[in-house]
Amino acid sequence: DAGVIQSPRHEVTEMGQEVTLRCKPISGHDYLFWYRQTMMRGLELLIYFNNNVPIDDSGMPEDRFSAKMPNASFSTLKIQPSEPRDSAVYFCASRGTPPNTDTQYFGPGTRLTVL
Amino acid sequence: GNSVTQMEGPVTLSEEAFLTINCTYTATGYPSLFWYVQYPGEGLQLLLKATKADDKGSNKGFEATYRKETTSFHLEKGSVQVSDSAVYFCALSGFRSNDYKLSFGAGTTVTVRA
Repeated sequence: DAGVIQSPRHEVTEMGQEVTLRCKPISGHDYLFWYRQTMMRGLELLIYFNNNVPIDDSGMPEDRFSAKMPNASFSTLKIQPSEPRDSAVYFCASRGTPPNTDTQYFGPGTRLTVL
Repeated sequence: GNSVTQMEGPVTLSEEAFLTINCTYTATGYPSLFWYVQYPGEGLQLLLKATKADDKGSNKGFEATYRKETTSFHLEKGSVQVSDSAVYFCALSGFRSNDYKLSFGAGTTVTVRA
């Protein structure tokens, strides 16, 4: 399996622009997670989906952030408008349902820089 | 809610030294416990895990035992190598389907010198 795929790997944009991050989970996994990593706050969950339905979005910072999962093999995280404080590494992860697996597998991350 | 506290770093060791990173947790029920490792510029990789009390997870010479009585999951390695230099994260996941998110510790940066 190719693992969790994220694109782009790096994104540099200017404040106020729209940013879209993409994720393809491991085939057969029915849970998908979006995390953000910063020096100040460490790793924090933004949102997660089960069977394409959002289960917990309590970590989404504000209305500027939105996430969708239109099908089992694709998810997006959108920031509109972006701000410099959104600069971080965004990770996508996926897992199956026990007893198949209780391990989350992470993608390589997208490093976002907002100028 | 669930939370994880792990030893603050950074930790600097010489090659072949013994490594311990302390991790304690707070959770309801019976969480699964994990250690993830992050090498510079990369994503998180699962290092080892344990899903019930007294389980020992092990991988690449690293070990950790799920201790429910002390709510701990300390990571150990008997003889570290330069290639073990990385950031190590302790994490837990709830056992209910609406609590599968990972709660992470702050991470411990380990540097091994030759």
